[in-house]
Amino acid sequence: GAGVSQSPSNKVTEKGKDVELRCDPISGHTALYWYRQSLGQGLEFLIYFQGNSAPDKSGLPSDRFSAERTGGSVSTLTIQRTQQEDSAVYLCASSFGGGEETQYFGPGTRLLVL
Amino acid sequence: QKEVEQNSGPLSVPEGAIASLNCTYSDRGSQSFFWYRQYSGKSPELIMSIYSNGDKEDGRFTAQLNKASQYVSLLIRDSQPSDSATYLCAVNAAGRRALTFGSGTRLQVQP
Repeated sequence: GAGVSQSPSNKVTEKGKDVELRCDPISGHTALYWYRQSLGQGLEFLIYFQGNSAPDKSGLPSDRFSAERTGGSVSTLTIQRTQQEDSAVYLCASSFGGGEETQYFGPGTRLLVL
Repeated sequence: QKEVEQNSGPLSVPEGAIASLNCTYSDRGSQSFFWYRQYSGKSPELIMSIYSNGDKEDGRFTAQLNKASQYVSLLIRDSQPSDSATYLCAVNAAGRRALTFGSGTRLQVQP
């Protein structure tokens, strides 16, 4: 079956521009996560959505970062006024939710801020 | 102290040997434990999950969990060059759905 998909696969932008990253989770998965992986670093949690519950935004590094999930499926991560330190791979994962915690990752979006 | 700690490596083993990867975690209330494999330039893929103390085997892979020692390990038997990758330990703390990841151990299997 189809896995988690993300777009674009690569994004180059200029400092100060806004970017939108998209994630399409595995069909039937109610939980969706965003992580960030900087070069040579581990994965850093950003935000978590579970069904219609309020998202867990505790990992967002600043108010320039926001995310939404429409219709309980596709999610968009928006970074406003990008900075060079935002350059990283942004990974989306999904899981069945409801206690099933195994998360399956998409291919990621590689963001480079010049 | 980091929440999830791993030796960054590289851990180098000859082909056919057993590779032993270790991970410690700080939250004693952690419930679920995962090992992911990440090839260079790729996203993490799940290798094993383990939830209770003891060993769990799946093919050439064995995960071991010791909650009293806050320690989880991954053994890879009959290591192959294709096993060369970074192995990420991830922990699900009590009450948290998001995973906390270690920084990963880079494994090199020498042909």
